[in-house]
Amino acid sequence: DQQVKQNSPSLSVQEGRISILNCDYTNSMFDYFLWYKKYPAEGPTFLISISSIKDKNEDGRFTVFLNKSAKHLSLHIVPSQPGDSAVYFCAASDSGNTPLVFGKGTRLSVIA
Amino acid sequence: DADVTQTPRNRITKTGKRIMLECSQTKGHDRMYWYRQDPGLGLRLIYYSFDVKDINKGEISDGYSVSRQAQAKFSLSLESAIPNQTALYFCATSERGLFREQYFGPGTRLTVT
Repeated sequence: DQQVKQNSPSLSVQEGRISILNCDYTNSMFDYFLWYKKYPAEGPTFLISISSIKDKNEDGRFTVFLNKSAKHLSLHIVPSQPGDSAVYFCAASDSGNTPLVFGKGTRLSVIA
Repeated sequence: DADVTQTPRNRITKTGKRIMLECSQTKGHDRMYWYRQDPGLGLRLIYYSFDVKDINKGEISDGYSVSRQAQAKFSLSLESAIPNQTALYFCATSERGLFREQYFGPGTRLTVT
C-alpha cells in the first residue's frame, strides 16, 4: 500500500508561471514532510520541508503548503524557470526518526 | 569534494554474479540508507543503519545484504544478481535526531544482463 502518493507523473508549465506539484499521504502518523528535486545523473537534493505544526513554509520561489485534515501537501514554484525542470519527490516521516517514505515523483518541465 | 560518494558510478554485470556497491560519507552523520530507483516507482528503501551496530531491513531487502564497516561507510551487496535488480541505486545519510533531511550520493547505475 502506497503511503505517499504523487498522482501526476508529469507536469508542463510555461516559464514565469506557477508550478503546483501535489502529494497525498495516508499515514496519519506522518508529521514531517519534505520535497526533493532530482536532475538526471544526479542524486536527489533536498529542497524544502515542513513539520505538521505548520501549514506553510516558504523559501524564496518555493512554498510548501500542508493540509493535515486532507492529508495533502503541495509545492508551489513561482515564477517557474527552465532550470526548475527536474523530477520532484515528495517524502514523509513520522517524527523524523524513521527513514523517509517517498512518492513516485512528478517530472516537471518548464518551457521557455 | 562530494560529501556522499558512491562507487562504482556505473556497473554492468551478469546474472548470478556477486556485486558490491560502496558508499562513503564525510558529513559525520550517524545514519545511512540504501535506496533503489526504478522508472515510475520512485525511491524504495532497501536497508538502513542508524549507527554502526544497527542494521534494519527496508521495504525491499530480499536479494540484498549490507555491511556498515564504519560510521562513514555502508556497503550494499547483491549476492547473486538477477536482471530485475537493474536499477539506479542511491546511498543517503542523515544526522541523528528528529526532523533531519537525508543527503543523497550521486547514484550507481547497475545493469544485470
